[in-house]
Amino acid sequence: QLQLLESGPRLVKPSETLSLTCTVSGDPITNTIFYWGWVRQSPGKEVEWIGSIYFTGTTYDNPSLKSRVTLSIDTSKSQFSLTLTSVTTADTAIYYCVGGRGIGARPRYFDPWGQGTLVVVSS
Amino acid sequence: EIVMTQSPLSLPVTPGEPASISCRSSQSVQHTNGYNYLAWYLQKPGQSPQLLIYLGSNRASGVPDRFSGSGSGTDFTLRISSVEADDVGIYYCMQALQAITFGQGTRLEIK
Repeated sequence: QLQLLESGPRLVKPSETLSLTCTVSGDPITNTIFYWGWVRQSPGKEVEWIGSIYFTGTTYDNPSLKSRVTLSIDTSKSQFSLTLTSVTTADTAIYYCVGGRGIGARPRYFDPWGQGTLVVVSS
Repeated sequence: EIVMTQSPLSLPVTPGEPASISCRSSQSVQHTNGYNYLAWYLQKPGQSPQLLIYLGSNRASGVPDRFSGSGSGTDFTLRISSVEADDVGIYYCMQALQAITFGQGTRLEIK
């Protein structure tokens, strides 16, 4: 059964860079049906897609975050990663890694979701 | 950006009674291939969201058949035929025709 597990610092200072990694187990990260991605949920429960990446390295970006987001993938480690630069308190959220199911060469729905990791931006 | 609007935002339901949640998009989420790129998720208390419905009306694996999705274009509905205590949580719709966006969530509670 496919499982996703987020890891990374839980506290980041304003203006610095947030970095998270998701480890994939139970299915090859090179499985062609998956578009690996990141979704976050604010304390007010608003849910926002951050972006997705295919095992080839092709990325799909949220235009509202694109200038600050970098996605990468390491198939040898079965991991994909998120970096978000110049963070502010508005970036405080639970960050989930997700397995996006693809149709027509784009992610169309997310299943499964990781357990999520709370990242707080504070000095 | 396609804006997703859910209603109601809060839904108190008596166990055994039906429930429905509406999701409307600011523009059609139907692709030229006929698929509606609309999914529904349930986030139970203390858990990650879980997929309920994809492509507008397809139940995800393991989802009870009391859950159903319908609609096309800009108007979609999630129905629960007979609410159980385990259905409590926040329900989200999500479109994936363009850059993915979510609705604001509907909190279902038991009366």
